[in-house]
Amino acid sequence: NAGVTQTPKFQVLKTGQSMTLQCAQDMNHNSMYWYRQDPGMGLRLIYYSASEGTTDKGEVPNGYNVSRLNKREFSLRLESAAPSQTSVYFCAGMLDSRPYEQYFGPGTRLTVT
Amino acid sequence: ELKVEQNPLFLSMQEGKNYTIYCNYSTTSDRLYWYRQDPGKSLESLFVLLSNGAVKQEGRLMASLDTKARLSTLHITAAVHDLSATYFCAASGTYKYIFGTGTRLKVLA
Repeated sequence: NAGVTQTPKFQVLKTGQSMTLQCAQDMNHNSMYWYRQDPGMGLRLIYYSASEGTTDKGEVPNGYNVSRLNKREFSLRLESAAPSQTSVYFCAGMLDSRPYEQYFGPGTRLTVT
Repeated sequence: ELKVEQNPLFLSMQEGKNYTIYCNYSTTSDRLYWYRQDPGKSLESLFVLLSNGAVKQEGRLMASLDTKARLSTLHITAAVHDLSATYFCAASGTYKYIFGTGTRLKVLA
């Protein structure tokens, strides 16, 4: 996970609470991503940012917002957490040239009660 | 819309045996990735396949790509316990990766 960091590592929220997951990378990636992983499933894309100042929806954006604060940082916000958002969240950065490989952070395990 | 299917979902195999994991994708994609995930950990990149006919090998794992069939395979040779993990394939559009649901591999001694 060298180069992509996430905070916090673990978080427990009550339904309706808000929080922001932080992601930072020092690999000079232009593109950054937020995924969620639920048990027995692959990763599903929530939002991505192809470059600083731009963001786009992925497969499952409802209930989330993102901010690409600068080239290094890409945050994910839950405005009003719901139990369905209990998941492991991964941030990733992507090389801007071939092979366009993604590098993942260590993940944030979020539980909403 | 790009979709990715992996099979099998679960694989229990004896040490020393060979097996193949299959990854099918639905639309044109010239990039195919394989990742490994250990329990409670993040994803580790295994292979990047960028062209039709690409084959890459690392130790007991070999990955290949057939873009005409929209199929990638991950072949395991003479499995050992250390290979126990979940393996994901992902196909890529311009910016988006679409992941398969993963194959949970358990190698029995």
